[in-house]
Amino acid sequence: QQQVKQSPQSLIVQKGGISIINCAYENTAFDYFPWYQQFPGKGPALLIAIRPDVSEKKEGRFTISFNKSAKQFSLHIMDSQPGDSATYFCAAQSPSGGYQKVTFGIGTKLQVIP
Amino acid sequence: DTGVSQNPRHKITKRGQNVTFRCDPISEHNRLYWYRQTLGQGPEFLTYFQNEAQLEKSRLLSDRFSAERPKGSFSTLEIQRTEQGDSAMYLCASSLEIGRVGYGYTFGSGTRLTVV
Repeated sequence: QQQVKQSPQSLIVQKGGISIINCAYENTAFDYFPWYQQFPGKGPALLIAIRPDVSEKKEGRFTISFNKSAKQFSLHIMDSQPGDSATYFCAAQSPSGGYQKVTFGIGTKLQVIP
Repeated sequence: DTGVSQNPRHKITKRGQNVTFRCDPISEHNRLYWYRQTLGQGPEFLTYFQNEAQLEKSRLLSDRFSAERPKGSFSTLEIQRTEQGDSAMYLCASSLEIGRVGYGYTFGSGTRLTVV
């Protein structure tokens, strides 16, 4: 059961362009939505996160847009750079059994070409 | 503290052998998790510790898998009688949670297991 649906699975963007990755969820108990960035051979690293009481969060070139009614959220990477080439995972957390259980999307492999 | 440390980084083993991985979490964090990641997929939850107590195990964690966290510090994940289907990246993560408010995970670099 894929509780967090992520698209596209792969994305090619030119340097300086905007990269957009979309995610949708079903479980309304989710209360924390992080994005992780993973480089080959490394573990995922927390990039940016949002809680459902806000509609947008921006950190540098990275912005999360959150639509609670549609149960969708997206990551925008402005001025994309070759160093941003990585796999990005959206995730959703919900209180479960006394702790925060995380469900990950399938991942989006981003390639930024010069 | 430089983050979550996992050892070894890579492990190649023959089918049927036992393997053990180690994770050293961030000392201030109060939660420790094990995830498994196969190629082209997102991490899948295996098990979770609060201090030394293992509080939840995924159905992915068969009887061949066992995890421990003695004294609430480092954790080990052992796989007995390995099978080729166990080949994956095994990720450890830790997090700080206060009450029911969660924060992001800090992952280690993982242990890449190849069963031949």
